Order: sequence, then C-alpha cells, then structure tokens
Amino acid sequence: AQSVTQPDIHITVSEGASLELRCNYSYGATPYLFWYVQSPGQGLQLLLKYFSGDTLVQGIKGFEAEFKRSQSSFNLRKPSVHWSDAAEYFCAVSMEYGNKLVFGAGTILRVKS
Amino acid sequence: NAGVTQTPKFRVLKTGQSMTLLCAQDMNHEYMYWYRQDPGMGLRLIHYSVGEGTTAKGEVPDGYNVSRLKKQNFLLGLESAAPSQTSVYFCASSSPGLAEETQYFGPGTRLLVL
Repeated sequence: AQSVTQPDIHITVSEGASLELRCNYSYGATPYLFWYVQSPGQGLQLLLKYFSGDTLVQGIKGFEAEFKRSQSSFNLRKPSVHWSDAAEYFCAVSMEYGNKLVFGAGTILRVKS
Repeated sequence: NAGVTQTPKFRVLKTGQSMTLLCAQDMNHEYMYWYRQDPGMGLRLIHYSVGEGTTAKGEVPDGYNVSRLKKQNFLLGLESAAPSQTSVYFCASSSPGLAEETQYFGPGTRLLVL
C-alpha cells in the first residue's frame, strides 16, 4: 500500500531563514504529489502539486517543491520564511487521479522572531 | 461563492448518541470526501463519493455511514458515537476530468465524544 512519510514532526526556524520540509512516499509508480498547509483552526489549503513535467514546481506564498524520482521524495522549500508561515504542512499522494489522497502525518512549523 | 462549508463547527456527544455532519459545496464538484484528522496521523479517508447517489469506503470507514442524495451535499453519520471517534472531521470536494485535480477542503468540524 502506498504511504507517505514526513520525518519531522516539528521544525523551528528563524524568520528570514530558509526552510525545507521533507516528504518521502512509497509506491512503485510515479504518483500525483501535493503539499497542503493548515493554519490553526482552519481547513487545508493547497500550496502546490506535481503531476508530470518539470520536477521543480512553484506554488503559492513563495513555496516550491522538487520531485526526485530516485529518492521518492517531494521536499517543500522556501528561501525566506515569514512569521505568517507558521502552520502545519501536509504532504499527500494520490495514485488515482485525485481520488483518495494519502496524507503524511504532518510537520508543524514554528517561526521565531 | 462559499466553497466547501461544514455544519456544525463543534459538537460534544455522549457515548452512544448519534449525529450527522453536513458538508455542502457550491462548486458543482462531482467528487466529495470525508476525512478525519488525529494528532500525529495526518488525515485519513473515511468515505468518499464519485457522484450523486454513489458512495464508497475509504481507509477508516467503520462506525460511519454516508449519503449523497444531492450533488452538492455529502452527509457523514455516526449511529452510535464512541470516544475513539473524537476527532476533527474535514470534508473536501474535487472535480474530475481536469488536469489539476485539487481537493478543496472545508473548515472542519471538531467532535468530542465523552
């Protein structure tokens, strides 16, 4: 069965520092890959997604992610973190064209000033 | 355009009580989903629907039932609530046939079962 691993439960970065959140998936084929963000008390908002083509994907709020097939990874990056980026981030995969997303456990990002 | 809305926002139940969570979307989406979110486990799919009148089981369907009588609504029912069903429940919807098949999420319903 497909699975998604986000190895970091919590990450703390200073405002203005760079950020990388890790995501690894387990499946034989190339899945559809997503990153969602959840602010406290809110629903999930899509940051970016990868279906095919260029392996570096640009998203909203200055985020980007790179798909690496050889490492089964889809890490999320941001060059300079803002205090408003503090939230929980979820990586998700889908093998069935948008159906049945499988989520990672999430990474909570704290931003210190 | 409200997107995906959920009713209620918060509810406290006693063990054995029943309740229904309502999800509504105004985007004319075919697909709708119910997830539960528990700490350290991300979101897990309970049930989903690929169209009006159809439902299917997800990863954790036990103890829940669903109905999709109208395209815009997806109901999640708990017939006899258990403390293990204390969670945050999210509804989502998506439109098939598009190259980018994003799921749009509602704000969530917090359920506490005592």
